[in-house]
Amino acid sequence: DSGVTQTPKHLITATGQRVTLRCSPRSGDLSVYWYQQSLDQGLQFLIQYYNGEERAKGNILERFSAQQFPDLHSELNLSSLELGDSALYFCASSARDRAGYGYTFGSGTRLTVV
Amino acid sequence: AQTVTQSQPEMSVQEAETVTLSCTYDTSESDYYLFWYKQPPSRQMILVIRQEAYKQQNATENRFSVNFQKAAKSFSLKISDSQLGDAAMYFCAYRSNFGNEKLTFGTGTRLTIIP
Repeated sequence: DSGVTQTPKHLITATGQRVTLRCSPRSGDLSVYWYQQSLDQGLQFLIQYYNGEERAKGNILERFSAQQFPDLHSELNLSSLELGDSALYFCASSARDRAGYGYTFGSGTRLTVV
Repeated sequence: AQTVTQSQPEMSVQEAETVTLSCTYDTSESDYYLFWYKQPPSRQMILVIRQEAYKQQNATENRFSVNFQKAAKSFSLKISDSQLGDAAMYFCAYRSNFGNEKLTFGTGTRLTIIP
């Protein structure tokens, strides 16, 4: 157990639908990052939150949004889903003062859009 | 913007042999960190080894070591005495010590271990 919890582990939904992915960071970590990994591809940075505030945006579609709550858990909302949104979505967390230690990753949510 | 390049999409090695995975990166910064992550079939991302840019000494973690060439912006991973459990995708990653600190990943190298 890495300490970063992602739910659900698997999600199957139809095109046009909306889903919410949830992430609880490791205890004490203030930063949460979301990444998308399509089949056999690298990890694409979507968005970062730090202590409740959006810190950086990457290649995140307008149909996608995220937020970090006061208890530091984060949610990634994906709407108007398309077949191409099928991917593994990772959440990771890190402590601000431990930049050199990389991230702690969750086990990911596998989203399948049918 | 920083970029990370892994030019070897696939590599294979005989069990118990040594293999080196290549990674190059592009940055104008002087203070940063480099990482190798392993992603086995379970898809979990596992940190293998990390290197601080201001340290000249190459990092080592058991059978895993790096060859960090800062001037050449090269960061290769050497796996000694390869084991079947080493079979995985390996991602090189860069992280600035400034700004938003996001990790920038390479496209990965799939390592196969031949028994």
